[in-house]
Amino acid sequence: DAGVTQSPTHLIKTRGQQVTLRCSPKSGHDTVSWYQQALGQGPQFIFQYYEEEERQRGNFPDRFSGHQFPNYSSELNVNALLLGDSALYLCASSLALAGWGETQYFGPGTRLLVL
Amino acid sequence: AQTVTQSQPEMSVQEAETVTLSCTYDTSESNYYLFWYKQPPSRQMILVIRQEAYKQQNATENRFSVNFQKAAKSFSLKISDSQLGDTAMYFCAFMKHMGDGGGADGLTFGKGTHLIIQP
Repeated sequence: DAGVTQSPTHLIKTRGQQVTLRCSPKSGHDTVSWYQQALGQGPQFIFQYYEEEERQRGNFPDRFSGHQFPNYSSELNVNALLLGDSALYLCASSLALAGWGETQYFGPGTRLLVL
Repeated sequence: AQTVTQSQPEMSVQEAETVTLSCTYDTSESNYYLFWYKQPPSRQMILVIRQEAYKQQNATENRFSVNFQKAAKSFSLKISDSQLGDTAMYFCAFMKHMGDGGGADGLTFGKGTHLIIQP
């Protein structure tokens, strides 16, 4: 049973550039959530996708956008990168809308460094 | 908005000892879920245990158990017979129940406790 996968594992960008991170959910899952984890902090919720739509969003600017494909995989896009966007980006998948308490399963993350 | 507080930035115990990690949360919600996640140095977040707020019985998973005190908004994790492989960051997390048609919400995490198991 394949777990949550993310690509790439590491990425280095410069300020002002744009980046796309990818996530494939655990087999059978239809909901994908994205989190940003700064060094030494707990993850912060960015947004959640279900049925190819953004369902909920945390306190992140519009520079952060996403997409979900018919096969439930998802992309996180960040435009106009800032130094403060340097973090570990975690993808989590779950079955149905997580508000019903479905456990979220996390991928290994993508480490983004903005120079 | 919900907040989750983990007041112990780091803890260190000897192998085979029992250790308790504390977590408190603040919410006006009455129906929600609580989780403990473990993040080893490999950085993949792994679910340790979950608790539904409507259940009075404390959840247990092998060596891991919780003490859920809803009135006090406290959710501590007890690890019995600790093992070297338990060394990791432990995060307490909250998810509110959105109800029928209410959409979904993300997890709110604490800042974590770094648990070190000494041989």
